[in-house]
Amino acid sequence: AQKITQTQPGMFVQEKEAVTLDCTYDTSDPSYGLFWYKQPSSGEMIFLIYQGSYDQQNATEGRYSLNFQKARKSANLVISASQLGDSAMYFCAMKGYSGAGSYQLTFGKGTKLSVIP
Amino acid sequence: GAGVSQSPRYKVAKRGQDVALRCDPISGHVSLFWYQQALGQGPEFLTYFQNEAQLDKSGLPSDRFFAERPEGSVSTLKIQRTQQEDSAVYLCASSPLDRVVSGANVLTFGAGSRLTVL
Repeated sequence: AQKITQTQPGMFVQEKEAVTLDCTYDTSDPSYGLFWYKQPSSGEMIFLIYQGSYDQQNATEGRYSLNFQKARKSANLVISASQLGDSAMYFCAMKGYSGAGSYQLTFGKGTKLSVIP
Repeated sequence: GAGVSQSPRYKVAKRGQDVALRCDPISGHVSLFWYQQALGQGPEFLTYFQNEAQLDKSGLPSDRFFAERPEGSVSTLKIQRTQQEDSAVYLCASSPLDRVVSGANVLTFGAGSRLTVL
């Protein structure tokens, strides 16, 4: 079974500062992918960044980077130069074999990020 | 279409009514997923389709929940005899490939259908 843990229910960050959102995961599958999604108040899930379990380099996408520490089973999201529009819920998710015939995406409970002007 | 479209966006049902939620995935996407998101929680997996075949329905909470994708494109999630605990946002997502874990096979989500059962 797959499990994602996000231990920070809420985070505050000053505008233009960097912030790290924590994510740890558990799986027995050697092949998996880690995803971060942003969910603004409008409700739509917006894909931010992906890291594969065999990728040697940490993923980066613009202001988003993923601090992937495989031995620790952590995949923290780093947002640099925070903007007011970054205020939203952030979900860490893992895709791997579910054991029931599919590769489903398993989500954490999320972290609510608030950017302060 | 350009994105995943869900309807209705909002549905209010009286306890015991049947509801049907529609999902129009991105054209050509093989995989389609339904998720349930309770208030303040992360999405929980309900069911998965590969084209028209429902390969995994392990997340459906009861036999009151039924999903179909008869022609491998549009999908409908049906909830019979709705209960208050069914109140949630129902998210549909699609991805281009099947059983491939990669950055090229990202799930694209719709805006969701918010169900409120009174």
